[in-house]
Amino acid sequence: GAGVSQTPSNKVTEKGKYVELRCDPISGHTALYWYRQSLGQGPEFLIYFQGTGAADDSGLPNDRFFAVRPEGSVSTLKIQRTERGDSAVYLCASSPDPTGTERTYTFGSGTRLTVV
Amino acid sequence: KQEVTQIPAALSVPEGENLVLNCSFTDSAIYNLQWFRQDPGKGLTSLLLIQSSQREQTSGRLNASLDKSSGRSTLYIAASQPGDSATYLCVLTKREAGNMLTFGGGTRLMVKP
Repeated sequence: GAGVSQTPSNKVTEKGKYVELRCDPISGHTALYWYRQSLGQGPEFLIYFQGTGAADDSGLPNDRFFAVRPEGSVSTLKIQRTERGDSAVYLCASSPDPTGTERTYTFGSGTRLTVV
Repeated sequence: KQEVTQIPAALSVPEGENLVLNCSFTDSAIYNLQWFRQDPGKGLTSLLLIQSSQREQTSGRLNASLDKSSGRSTLYIAASQPGDSATYLCVLTKREAGNMLTFGGGTRLMVKP
């Protein structure tokens, strides 16, 4: 596609429920990143994929969070037993070549998750 | 651990003013520095990218500088317009290939007509 697509744009869920957030990167971009942005703060790193594998998942806050990218394109961020503190905007970004000179990144519009 | 601080956190100026947004970082071993713009409900838009070997980059009314030795970058906006109202984020990439971006907390800019 022309840009990074994230769905849904908004998600309201009850505490304790399971949610999935989807990211569709730019076609051909090998690197995919998930970030979380709380109100009034800058985005914080969650996980980075190079192809199908998670190259760095050091930002995942706990084992309730998990992400996959089975075919090296679309990625799904999964959150189990959601808590009110998980409420944030979840941003996805993709990059054509994270080892290259430019290292440009394209961000999606984000999914605003609200846990009530 | 890299820490990125942006000052001020919020800024309100009348249209037409020149303004400077500041960014400081603790680890000078960076690969590049980028300034992004974030509008409510929209994604982040890259404005300027400065490689670690460069001192500044310019695009239209925007000029960004980088001083690695002092751990500072500034974004200069000339002749501000109401359409410049947004949150501006300073973002660093580490030297290691493929690693994550480290964001500052952002400066929320309001340009009043």
